[in-house]
Amino acid sequence: NAGVMQNPRHLVRRRGQEARLRCSPMKGHSHVYWYRQLPEEGLKFMVYLQKENIIDESGMPKERFSAEFPKEGPSILRIQQVVRGDSAAYFCASSPGVPKNIQYFGAGTRLSVL
Amino acid sequence: TQLLEQSPQFLSIQEGENLTVYCNSSSVFSSLQWYRQEPGEGPVLLVTVVTGGEVKKLKRLTFQFGDARKDSSLHITAAQPGDTGLYLCAGILNTGTASKLTFGTGTRLQVTL
Repeated sequence: NAGVMQNPRHLVRRRGQEARLRCSPMKGHSHVYWYRQLPEEGLKFMVYLQKENIIDESGMPKERFSAEFPKEGPSILRIQQVVRGDSAAYFCASSPGVPKNIQYFGAGTRLSVL
Repeated sequence: TQLLEQSPQFLSIQEGENLTVYCNSSSVFSSLQWYRQEPGEGPVLLVTVVTGGEVKKLKRLTFQFGDARKDSSLHITAAQPGDTGLYLCAGILNTGTASKLTFGTGTRLQVTL
């Protein structure tokens, strides 16, 4: 059973470009979470999605960031007009939902903004 | 405001020593998970505790959930260099919902020969 797959593993963008990060959850998991880890900091929640629905986006910056989890295909975290402060590791986790709400993490996408 | 505080932040010990990492909060969590993260990788789940007072053992690792479900500890016996990594506690606040994890500040452990 394949784990949570994230791609790309590393992404380099120049300021002002767009970054698209992809996450394929574990088989049978319909809940996806995105977290961000800034250098030397802990993981911070960004957004929680269930197929085609955003359930909780309380951790998402108000501008430039969006997320989707379509009926078919991976979840996408999209960052428009990237700035240097967006440089971080972005992790996706998936879960089968309640009652065993255990979240399994992917290896992350490391975004570097030049 | 950090909801989950871990201590110590850094720990450097020699192989064979014992250690305890603490995860404390003023909030009550419906469940708490411990992860280990190595450089360049994602967090790997070690254990989930859900019942106040629960103790779980995983080989040389012992996890405890506080009676009031506000705190947890991780004890490692006879540490080995392979235990080196970043240890993270993470809690879920809401019972019965598929909810976000709130992560602790992390404890970076280094075990030397």
